[in-house]
Amino acid sequence: QQQVKQSPQSLIVQKGGISIINCAYENTAFDYFPWYQQFPGKGPALLIAIRPDVSEKKEGRFTISFNKSAKQFSLHIMDSQPGDSATYFCAASKGGGSNYKLTFGKGTLLTVNP
Amino acid sequence: DAGVTQSPTHLIKTRGQQVTLRCSPKSGHDTVSWYQQALGQGPQFIFQYYEEEERQRGNFPDRFSGHQFPNYSSELNVNALLLGDSALYLCASSLPGARPYNEQFFGPGTRLTVL
Repeated sequence: QQQVKQSPQSLIVQKGGISIINCAYENTAFDYFPWYQQFPGKGPALLIAIRPDVSEKKEGRFTISFNKSAKQFSLHIMDSQPGDSATYFCAASKGGGSNYKLTFGKGTLLTVNP
Repeated sequence: DAGVTQSPTHLIKTRGQQVTLRCSPKSGHDTVSWYQQALGQGPQFIFQYYEEEERQRGNFPDRFSGHQFPNYSSELNVNALLLGDSALYLCASSLPGARPYNEQFFGPGTRLTVL
């Protein structure tokens, strides 16, 4: 049973465009929703994270939108750059981030064309 | 600060063999989690170690076992390897205590191939 569903599987965007990746979760006990960025040959790195008491969080060009009633959250990358080309994973955990297991989506391969 | 380090980088084993993977956490971190990332998939949680004890475990068979040492470094052992164990094995460390929403820092992983 996949608890975090991520779409699309792959995404191609032109430089300067907006990249949007969506995730849906099933477990209402989840209360921490991070997004990770992974480059080939590297481990995932935290990009941005949100808690369900906030509907939106923005850090630079990256924004998370969170819809608690729909159990959905999304990552928006504004002014996408070729250097943003990577695989993006949404994740969720309950009880906080560091001491609890992360449940990941299957990932989205983002390609930003110059 | 070297961050989370893992060894070896790559490993090739045959079915039925046993393998040990190693992880050194980021400086100041005392909690270590292990994840399995199959090709084209997201990481899946294997287990987590804190104060040298397994604190949480994911849906993995007993063939997967681990250990944490007094210096917080950790090992992942897999016995009786199957072809399906081929994956990238990731180690993540985090700050001590029960502080909420602390980041888990991932290492570069060990690529295990089972032939």
